[in-house]
Amino acid sequence: QQKVQQSPESLSVPEGGMASFNCTSSDRNFQYFWWYRQHSGEGPKALMSIFSDGDKKEGRFTAHLNKASLHVSLHIRDSQPSDSALYFCAASSSSFSKLVFGQGTSLSVVP
Amino acid sequence: NAGVIQTPRHKVTGKGQEATLWCEPISGHSAVFWYRQTIVQGLEFLTYFRNQAPIDDSGMPKERFSAQMPNQSHSTLKIQSTQPQDSAVYLCASRVRDNSYEQYFGPGTRLTVL
Repeated sequence: QQKVQQSPESLSVPEGGMASFNCTSSDRNFQYFWWYRQHSGEGPKALMSIFSDGDKKEGRFTAHLNKASLHVSLHIRDSQPSDSALYFCAASSSSFSKLVFGQGTSLSVVP
Repeated sequence: NAGVIQTPRHKVTGKGQEATLWCEPISGHSAVFWYRQTIVQGLEFLTYFRNQAPIDDSGMPKERFSAQMPNQSHSTLKIQSTQPQDSAVYLCASRVRDNSYEQYFGPGTRLTVL
């Protein structure tokens, strides 16, 4: 059973629009969450980490964590065609252990 | 900073052959992780070294797969008697130190087993 459920599987938004992704964990040992982005032919690259309840904003990206419900989300405002990629949430039980990834969301930003 | 280097980028093997994948972590990074990516299973953890010592191999298939880190500058993942189901992108990541959170991924090695 996948320990990190991610939705949606794919998403298409217009340029300048808002893209939103969601993850829910089934393992209460997971306390540390990341969002990674992967462009075609490349390895994943970390976008943001979030370890505390609430919102964390970095530029156009905002992550939200609710530890009680083990739910984490990512929102991208003013989406650009260059944001088109695979987006993964990842969780771990400690800050330095292995990452458990969600299945990923394919984002397409349409000009 | 060249990032994490993985070689080869693509490897094609016949069923039953051996495949060795190489990873050069970012200089100064003390931890190396191996993951496998497929369409069906997504990104799966395989194994993890810290200061060259194996720490967690809970994701490694019990047979045919082995990993080593003989020095700080490289790690290898070896698959013996490759099978078509081993076809995947194998990703290596490194991290600078234990209390640093981000894992930096290489571009991956795409292994195709015919």
